[in-house]
Formats: sequence, C-alpha cells, structure tokens
Amino acid sequence: NAGVTQTPKFRILKIGQSMTLQCTQDMNHNYMYWYRQDPGMGLKLIYYSVGAGITDKGEVPNGYNVSRSTTEDFPLRLELAAPSQTSVYFCASSYSRTEAFFGQGTRLTVV
Amino acid sequence: DQQVKQNSPSLSVQEGRISILNCDYTNSMFDYFLWYKKYPAEGPTFLISISSIKDKNEDGRFTVFLNKSAKHLSLHIVPSQPGDSAVYFCAATDSGGGADGLTFGKGTHLIIQP
Repeated sequence: NAGVTQTPKFRILKIGQSMTLQCTQDMNHNYMYWYRQDPGMGLKLIYYSVGAGITDKGEVPNGYNVSRSTTEDFPLRLELAAPSQTSVYFCASSYSRTEAFFGQGTRLTVV
Repeated sequence: DQQVKQNSPSLSVQEGRISILNCDYTNSMFDYFLWYKKYPAEGPTFLISISSIKDKNEDGRFTVFLNKSAKHLSLHIVPSQPGDSAVYFCAATDSGGGADGLTFGKGTHLIIQP
C-alpha cells in the first residue's frame, strides 16, 4: 500500500520557471491538501480539495494553482517561480476532516 | 496570528525518562487535536489524537491530555526511547467546519539522550 506518493523528491528551479509537483494517493480519500513548510515553521496550507472537481484556497495560495480531475491525483502548479517559494512541499490526504496522511515531501529550491 | 503555539523549539530528555511536549491554541472552534512526528527528509506521520469531548487519550507509551478551559494540550511519552528523537507537531481542526485542513504549530524538536 503506497499511501501518498509525491514526485519529484528534489528540484531546483530558476526564477521565472514553472513546474508541477505531482501527488497521488491510493486510499480513495476524498480530501487532499497541499502544505508548505519553511525552516523553523509549521506547515501552512496552500490549497485543498474535498473531492474531484472541487478545490479551494488555503492560507498561502498566491503563486500556486491546483486541479483535481480524479480522486487519486492532486497536482500543484507553480507559475513564475520566485525565491520565496523555496520550501518543502507536502501533499496529504484524509478520509475525514481530521487525521491526514502525508507524502514524503518535495524539497524545492528557487535560485 | 498563530492559532496553535508550541513554545519550546527543542527539548532534551534522558532515555527512559518522561518526555512532555506542550501545545496551546487560541481558536475556541478547534475540537479535534492531533500530534504528528516527523523525521528528517520524511513526511509527518500521525501519532495520536484527541477529541474535545475527552480529556485524555492513551496509546501505548503515548498519552495526550487536553485542558479545554486552558486551551492547552500536552503529549507525554513514557518511557522515552532513542527512536523518539524527532520533531513533534501539534495540530488542530474544527471538525464540524470547512474541510480546510489542519492548523499546525511550529514544532518541538525532541532529543533523547542516551
């Protein structure tokens, strides 16, 4: 049982480039989330989804976009990468609005 | 405005002793609380949770206590083991509200000394 899978694990982007962080879960969870964690800080919610076709902004959505075309996949798109987006990104899914299962994270550096 | 606060960035405890990690919250709508454990280069993993209708929940060596009037919860680990060395995040949610995820504290780095 793979759980929540994120790719890539590491990425270096140049300022202004774009990329998509992939997230797939095989637990048939309706709820999916993207968080970012900056050094010494807690996780902050970027976007979330309550089911296929439904997404909404979290606490820090600026500079990001998401889509949810299937239950399993919840990709996060970065357009025009900026140094402030250097962070570790975590995707998570949950069955209910409580306990969430996290992926291993994507460490992104924007230079 | 931090709604979930973990005021101790780090905590050092001797192996075999009790580790107590603390967490305070300000949002009175929070009714479900969780602790996550995180090793370097890994995602957070769920440890234990507690609903606001309880004041204590136990799972093996881990016990979480909730004091609603003080808006305070704590995680007790007894006895502490070397594998417990990790960053511990306190998280909270309004389970009856929107599905807007968990609100996390900044974490406490627990170091178990041999």
